[in-house]
Amino acid sequence: EVQLVETGGGLVQPGNSLKLSCATSGFTFSTAWMNWIRQTPGKRLEWLAQIEDKSNNYFISYLESVKGRFTISRDDSKSSVYLQMNNLKEEDTAIYYCRAITTVARGVMDAWGQGASVTVSS
Amino acid sequence: DIVMTQGALPNPVPSGESVSITCRSSKSLLYSDGKTYLNWYLQRPGQSPQLLIYWMSTRASGVSDRFSGSGSGTDFTLKISGVEAEDVGVYYCQQGLEFPLTFGSGTKLEIK
Repeated sequence: EVQLVETGGGLVQPGNSLKLSCATSGFTFSTAWMNWIRQTPGKRLEWLAQIEDKSNNYFISYLESVKGRFTISRDDSKSSVYLQMNNLKEEDTAIYYCRAITTVARGVMDAWGQGASVTVSS
Repeated sequence: DIVMTQGALPNPVPSGESVSITCRSSKSLLYSDGKTYLNWYLQRPGQSPQLLIYWMSTRASGVSDRFSGSGSGTDFTLKISGVEAEDVGVYYCQQGLEFPLTFGSGTKLEIK
């Protein structure tokens, strides 16, 4: 069974940092492209970052508005992906999801975690 | 950035009726490999989004054949043939052609 579990969310003051983790199982993590996506309180989905696999040199892409503040990374030995978030703003308040995309025998697998809640408030 | 625009449904929809959800992109999502990079997701209440359709018309594993995707390079339709109670939620389209990946604002389905 494919599983993605996000941890590390919580309440943080503006300007502070937070690191989210996403532990995975049930698929070949090392060949998956991993994403972080957030859902705002208004239910809008916003893609934040993607890190590709080793065969693509771990190529990374970011949403322009978080570039320089957010950093995506992965540890294939732990089947985990991370999102370091610095200088957090109130508008970063959201549910943060990790997403795995990979090709499987029957096509494409696209799986999401249950989400981690991040609240930025003083 | 590619803007994704979704239409609304005349909620609530009677159980068993067929519905079509529309999505339009500000740029063609047809790539040189012949694939159209448009995904459809369903987010049921209290759950995370789940993939229904990718490459505009390919059903994801385990997805009911009541769901079908179609379209052109910029105009897309998700059809649900005979809505059931389990189909309630918000449907999102998402383009996978270029960064930043972008989502539509969602289309809510309610059933009576």
